[in-house]
Amino acid sequence: AQSVSQHNHHVILSEAASLELGCNYSYGGTVNLFWYVQYPGQHLQLLLKYFSGDPLVKGIKGFEAEFIKSKFSFNLRKPSVQWSDTAEYFCAVNARNNDMRFGAGTRLTVKP
Amino acid sequence: KAGVTQTPRYLIKTRGQQVTLSCSPISGHRSVSWYQQTPGQGLQFLFEYFSETQRNKGNFPGRFSGRQFSNSRSEMNVSTLELGDSALYLCASSFQDGYEAFFGQGTRLTVV
Repeated sequence: AQSVSQHNHHVILSEAASLELGCNYSYGGTVNLFWYVQYPGQHLQLLLKYFSGDPLVKGIKGFEAEFIKSKFSFNLRKPSVQWSDTAEYFCAVNARNNDMRFGAGTRLTVKP
Repeated sequence: KAGVTQTPRYLIKTRGQQVTLSCSPISGHRSVSWYQQTPGQGLQFLFEYFSETQRNKGNFPGRFSGRQFSNSRSEMNVSTLELGDSALYLCASSFQDGYEAFFGQGTRLTVV
């Protein structure tokens, strides 16, 4: 089965700093890739997704992610974070038959 | 349209007991997946059902089981509860293979 690795467990940034969260997966076949966000006290929500086409995908709230097939990576970026981006971020990989696996998550704290 | 509904939201059980959690997916979604979320472990995949059939299963002991009904509603059951089963149990539904999953608010299970 595929697995997903998120490199950072907890990231602390000041407002306006740039963000990059790493995500690597292990699966040799065709995959769909996702980033989900979980704000404090709320359910998981989709930030963005990649199925095919342009490897640079844009999501909600100014987030984007780049799929690099050769590196099995799907890193999340945001040029300038806000205090409201404080949340936990999960990378997910979905292979055949809807077998979707998540990384351990990265907790982002943005200091005002 | 209504989102994914999980009941109950909170549950306290004693070691050795069993528990049943319920999930109603978004109307039209035939795939339902279950995850266990604990701090530091992220989302651990339990199993996925599609049209009443379990297609995928994670690495959990046989005490964890589930089923899906003809109306796509799903239940998961944990027998002989252990303290380590305390977690947030999340249900997610999706329309089709590979599509994004929509999550419920989860059931917070506490085993004492």
